[in-house]
Amino acid sequence: EAQVTQNPRYLITVTGKKLTVTCSQNMNHEYMSWYRQDPGLGLRQIYYSMNVEVTDKGDVPEGYKVSRKEKRNFPLILESPSPNQTSLYFCASSEIWASGANVLTFGAGSRLTVL
Amino acid sequence: RKEVEQDPGPFNVPEGATVAFNCTYSNSASQSFFWYRQDCRKEPKLLMSVYSSGNEDGRFTAQLNRASQYISLLIRDSKLSDSATYLCVVRVSGGYNKLIFGAGTRLAVHP
Repeated sequence: EAQVTQNPRYLITVTGKKLTVTCSQNMNHEYMSWYRQDPGLGLRQIYYSMNVEVTDKGDVPEGYKVSRKEKRNFPLILESPSPNQTSLYFCASSEIWASGANVLTFGAGSRLTVL
Repeated sequence: RKEVEQDPGPFNVPEGATVAFNCTYSNSASQSFFWYRQDCRKEPKLLMSVYSSGNEDGRFTAQLNRASQYISLLIRDSKLSDSATYLCVVRVSGGYNKLIFGAGTRLAVHP
């Protein structure tokens, strides 16, 4: 089954404790992206990647890091989480068309709480 | 001003009703448009793309008005299973990554 898999799905952590949210897709998609979703704000892009070793900042990259060492994986790293990073996080992937990233396939989401 | 704006709702409608959502976008360089559906606590999923000529998929009709910079979604004969949040998504030219999401419009269909 074609899918994007995120882990963990739920996490409660404390300020400053480094954590990684993993994301893996089995569709051989070039494009991968991380979003956070907060009430009333919609999905906001954190980082995206056009291919292996190619990553770039989205609209809200502060406090986050990513890497793309393999095509299928795109982990999101919070080096020193803070309470304002409490949010629902989605990883997504898509093919790249000439017009850009196309229809996104999303992971099931990771709900992160930072105390 | 948000780049993509939607009425947050909720729209509370009875089964069988027709309901319409609008979405406005501010960037005239926007080139592609989509409606996604998001069930409570779940991931967004593509409902339909929006084409310039308008398009229909069963009970769902999407329209695009480039001059006024808005997109609409019409749902006819609402079902209980249509209850969800509907996200308007706009792709802006000039960057492969630039998909802008609206905050969503919540629909609640009741018996």
